[in-house]
Amino acid sequence: NAGVMQNPRHLVRRRGQEARLRCSPMKGHSHVYWYRQLPEEGLKFMVYLQKENIIDESGMPKERFSAEFPKEGPSILRIQQVVRGDSAAYFCASSPRQGGTEAFFGQGTRLTVV
Amino acid sequence: AQKVTQAQTEISVVEKEDVTLDCVYETRDTTYYLFWYKQPPSGELVFLIRRNSFDEQNEISGRYSWNFQKSTSSFNFTITASQVVDSAVYFCPPQGRALTFGSGTRLQVQP
Repeated sequence: NAGVMQNPRHLVRRRGQEARLRCSPMKGHSHVYWYRQLPEEGLKFMVYLQKENIIDESGMPKERFSAEFPKEGPSILRIQQVVRGDSAAYFCASSPRQGGTEAFFGQGTRLTVV
Repeated sequence: AQKVTQAQTEISVVEKEDVTLDCVYETRDTTYYLFWYKQPPSGELVFLIRRNSFDEQNEISGRYSWNFQKSTSSFNFTITASQVVDSAVYFCPPQGRALTFGSGTRLQVQP
């Protein structure tokens, strides 16, 4: 049973480009969570999705960021018109249900904006 | 909603020492869950344990042990005979709709 798969592991984008980060949850998991970790900082919650629904996006910046988790395929975190401040590690986690259960994390995508 | 406090921001020990990481929680729920995660220098978060509020038995897994005490609202984590590979940031995230992580406790194990 494969773990949470994130790709790419490393992504370099120029300022103004778009970044698309992918997350395939563990088999049987329908809940996905995205987190961002800036250098030397803690992990910040961004968004929580269940298949085809955004459940909680309270940590998501209001502009340029969006997330989806379609019925088929991986969850996508999309960052439009990237800026240097978007450089961070983005982690995805999945769980089989909401609340009271552990979430398993992927290895992260390290985004560098040049 | 649950709130947790990891008062220790950084701990440094020498290899083979025992070390305890503190986690104090607040909740009004009668049923709740507590977690520990580890983030080694490689970056990936590793799930260590989940404990539900009905189970106050201590848990031991190799050199790791967890002491859950409702009376003091604590869920502490002890590493026995620490090793350099234990160096990491350890999180005790509060339960919510999604787990949220603070700054954790950074453990440095010196050789």
